[in-house]
Amino acid sequence: AQSVTQLGSHVSVSEGALVLLRCNYSSSVPPYLFWYVQYPNQGLQLLLKYTSAATLVKGINGFEAEFKKSETSFHLTKPSAHMSDAAEYFCAVSSVEGNNRLAFGKGNQVVVIP
Amino acid sequence: DTGVSQNPRHKITKRGQNVTFRCDPISEHNRLYWYRQTLGQGPEFLTYFQNEAQLEKSRLLSDRFSAERPKGSFSTLEIQRTEQGDSAMYLCASSHSGAAEAFFGQGTRLTVV
Repeated sequence: AQSVTQLGSHVSVSEGALVLLRCNYSSSVPPYLFWYVQYPNQGLQLLLKYTSAATLVKGINGFEAEFKKSETSFHLTKPSAHMSDAAEYFCAVSSVEGNNRLAFGKGNQVVVIP
Repeated sequence: DTGVSQNPRHKITKRGQNVTFRCDPISEHNRLYWYRQTLGQGPEFLTYFQNEAQLEKSRLLSDRFSAERPKGSFSTLEIQRTEQGDSAMYLCASSHSGAAEAFFGQGTRLTVV
């Protein structure tokens, strides 16, 4: 079975400061890894994905994530937070063997402080 | 095609009533997934279709839940005899079998009173 751990349900960051959201995964097969963002009462929007190509992945809105197999991690970063980054962020894992169904973490609610 | 479409966006129902939700996936996508998201949690997988075949169901999908995708296009999710514990956001996603990523709809928020 595949799973994802996201620690710290609420993350506060000052506007202009680094955003760092941690994600650790568990998978017995080569994983696909994703970060999704969710705004209130909305669906999930894909930020970026890792599918066994480059380990440093760039996504939309200035976010990027690095796949580290030795640490089973896929942390999300953004150098400078913007007020519009306030949202909930979910890390997810899937695999071809699992019909690409997603297993999500519990999410991080990001609050941006002016 | 503007993406995955879900209807209705919100549904309030009385306990014991039946409800049905609809999902229209991106037109060329042959895979369709249903997830459920409760407050403060990440989405949880419910079921998966490839074309019209329902290939996998989660243990979360009790016998009160049924999903169909009759012609391999849109899908419906029905909940019979709703309970307060069914209150959640129900999310639909679609993907192409050759791609890793799935695209989500806006969700249907169900409130059982």
